[in-house]
Amino acid sequence: AQSVTQLDSHVSVSEGTPVLLRCNYSSSYSPSLFWYVQHPNKGLQLLLKYTSAATLVKGINGFEAEFKKSETSFHLTKPSAHMSDAAEYFCVVNSLQGAQKLVFGQGTRLTINP
Amino acid sequence: AAGVIQSPRHLIKEKRETATLKCYPIPRHDTVYWYQQGPGQDPQFLISFYEKMQSDKGSIPDRFSAQQFSDYHSELNMSSLELGDSALYFCASSMGQGYYGYTFGSGTRLTVV
Repeated sequence: AQSVTQLDSHVSVSEGTPVLLRCNYSSSYSPSLFWYVQHPNKGLQLLLKYTSAATLVKGINGFEAEFKKSETSFHLTKPSAHMSDAAEYFCVVNSLQGAQKLVFGQGTRLTINP
Repeated sequence: AAGVIQSPRHLIKEKRETATLKCYPIPRHDTVYWYQQGPGQDPQFLISFYEKMQSDKGSIPDRFSAQQFSDYHSELNMSSLELGDSALYFCASSMGQGYYGYTFGSGTRLTVV
C-alpha cells in the first residue's frame, strides 16, 4: 500500500523568498512521485515527476523536488516565490507495481505575501 | 497539444436525479481514472479503466457506475444523486500505468440541489 503525508496544510511566504512544501511518502514498491498544482476553480496541473531516474527533479515555473529514499521524502522547493505561485499543491504517489491509481496527499495551500 | 477533455464543465441536478459525466483522454492514452474532490478536500480515487476493462476501484458509491468505450473515452453515471455528491469530478488519463505521468482534465463541477 502507498500513502502520502503533506506536513503542512498551509504555508505562507513573502514574494521573492524561498518556498518549501514538505511531503513524505510510504510505498511498498519503488514509487513514482508527482507534484500537482491547483489554482482556484481550476484543474490539476503537473509540476514535476520522479520516476526512478535522477533524484533531483526540475519542473515547470522554477520548481524542483528531491527524492530522498532514506528519508522517504519528496519536498518541493522554489528559490524565489512569485505572486502567481499562490495555489493548492498536492504531492501524489503511484506504485509502479501496484494498483493503477494515484494517492493524493491532503494538499498544502501556499499563500504569497506582497 | 491535446489535453483531457471533460464535459460538461458545470452541471446542476436535483436530488434523486441522474447525471452522466464524460471524459475524453489524450490520444493513445489507454487508461482513464476518475476522482472526486469535495470542497476543501484532496481528490479521492473512484475508479479506473485500462484497455476498456475496470482496473481498480476506490471509494465509488454503488449508485455510481462507469465504463470505458472502444474509443477509450469514459463515462461516469451517477444515479439517485444526493447533496453530498456535490463536488468537482476529475478525469485523468495515462499510457499504461502512468510511468510517464498522468494528465488531468479541468473537471466537471457537479452541484446537487
